[in-house]
Amino acid sequence: GAVVSQHPSWVICKSGTSVKIECRSLDFQATTMFWYRQFPKQSLMLMATSNEGSKATYEQGVEKDKFLINHASLTLSTLTVTSAHPEDSSFYICSAKDPGPLMGELFFGEGSRLTVL
Amino acid sequence: QKEVEQNSGPLSVPEGAIASLNCTYSDRGSQSFFWYRQYSGKSPELIMFIYSNGDKEDGRFTAQLNKASQYVSLLIRDSQPSDSATYLCAAPQGDSWGKLQFGAGTQVVVTP
Repeated sequence: GAVVSQHPSWVICKSGTSVKIECRSLDFQATTMFWYRQFPKQSLMLMATSNEGSKATYEQGVEKDKFLINHASLTLSTLTVTSAHPEDSSFYICSAKDPGPLMGELFFGEGSRLTVL
Repeated sequence: QKEVEQNSGPLSVPEGAIASLNCTYSDRGSQSFFWYRQYSGKSPELIMFIYSNGDKEDGRFTAQLNKASQYVSLLIRDSQPSDSATYLCAAPQGDSWGKLQFGAGTQVVVTP
């Protein structure tokens, strides 16, 4: 089946630095990918929709200048957390929909756990 | 604002018993619903989706949708310790299958 891969799985960084997370669709082309964030013991919250070749669409309350999204190819979207702070520590998960005919074929990456010291 | 509500649990279920999970939603226009399972520290994995009123069965899992009452449920038969996880109910936001609104999740603990 379709697979979505994220890298890195874990990242620890100092406050004020920037961190890039990659999301790749491995065996299908994804014109749209989605970025979610999950704080401990909370549910997933949609951050933004990543569109290949155009600007990302951010959900209300998500700072677009802080969470930079680039979707430069049909198989890769990146999320860059700029000037990270401890409150940005979270589990970041991307997803992509296989454009096949089946409904509900939304695949999640393994997630990237960010810890900002 | 559209909401998806779940009881956070934990729901303790003896091994071999049926686990019953409920989810209610506020948007009467919602047409489809997804159940995901999430193990601690892992990303969600799709169990099943349902978009028609009634029951949908897949192995030990049965999803039930009642659009008139705006609830969707998940039954896990013959619960196993490996079923211990958080179960997330989700509904698409708008007409995009990829933009999901998740409930808070129900933690299920299957005890041997």
